Amino acid sequence: GAGVSQSPSNKVTEKGKDVELRCDPISGHTALYWYRQSLGQGLEFLIYFQGNSAPDKSGLPSDRFSAERTGGSVSTLTIQRTQQEDSAVYLCASSLAPGGGEKLFFGSGTQLSVL
Amino acid sequence: KQEVTQIPAALSVPEGENLVLNCSFTDSAIYNLQWFRQDPGKGLTSLLLIQSSQREQTSGRLNASLDKSSGRSTLYIAASQPGDSATYLCAVRVGGGFKTIFGAGTRLFVKA
Repeated sequence: GAGVSQSPSNKVTEKGKDVELRCDPISGHTALYWYRQSLGQGLEFLIYFQGNSAPDKSGLPSDRFSAERTGGSVSTLTIQRTQQEDSAVYLCASSLAPGGGEKLFFGSGTQLSVL
Repeated sequence: KQEVTQIPAALSVPEGENLVLNCSFTDSAIYNLQWFRQDPGKGLTSLLLIQSSQREQTSGRLNASLDKSSGRSTLYIAASQPGDSATYLCAVRVGGGFKTIFGAGTRLFVKA
């Protein structure tokens, strides 16, 4: 596609429910990243994928968070048993290669609200 | 642990003014540094990327510099316009990995 696509753009859920957030990166981009941005805060790194593997999961805040990527393309971030502190904007980014030189391209994010 | 700090947190300037946004990082072992722009309710747009071996990058009215040894970068915006109003984020790709660490941003408001 023309850009990084994320869905849904907004998600309201009740505490304790599971949610799935989807990211469709730019075609041909092998690297994919998930970030979280809480209100008034900077971006918090969650996880990085190279192809379908995730060499860096160090940012996942708890075992309620998981992510997968299939076919080297679409990624899904799953949050189980959501808590109110999970409310944030979840941003996905992709880049051409895993090396150090390329730009990150971001999607518009998913605004998650846990009531 | 790499930490990225941006000063000021917010800035309001009249249209036409030249301005400088500052970014500092604690670990000089970086692959690159990027400046991003974020508009309310939107994702981030990459403005400039400086490789660790470079000193500066320019795009239109924007110029970004990098001094790795001192852990500093600046984003210079010339002849500011109301359309420049946004949050500007600085981010460094840490050496030895693929994680990009972001600063909290500078909220810029350019008054017409």
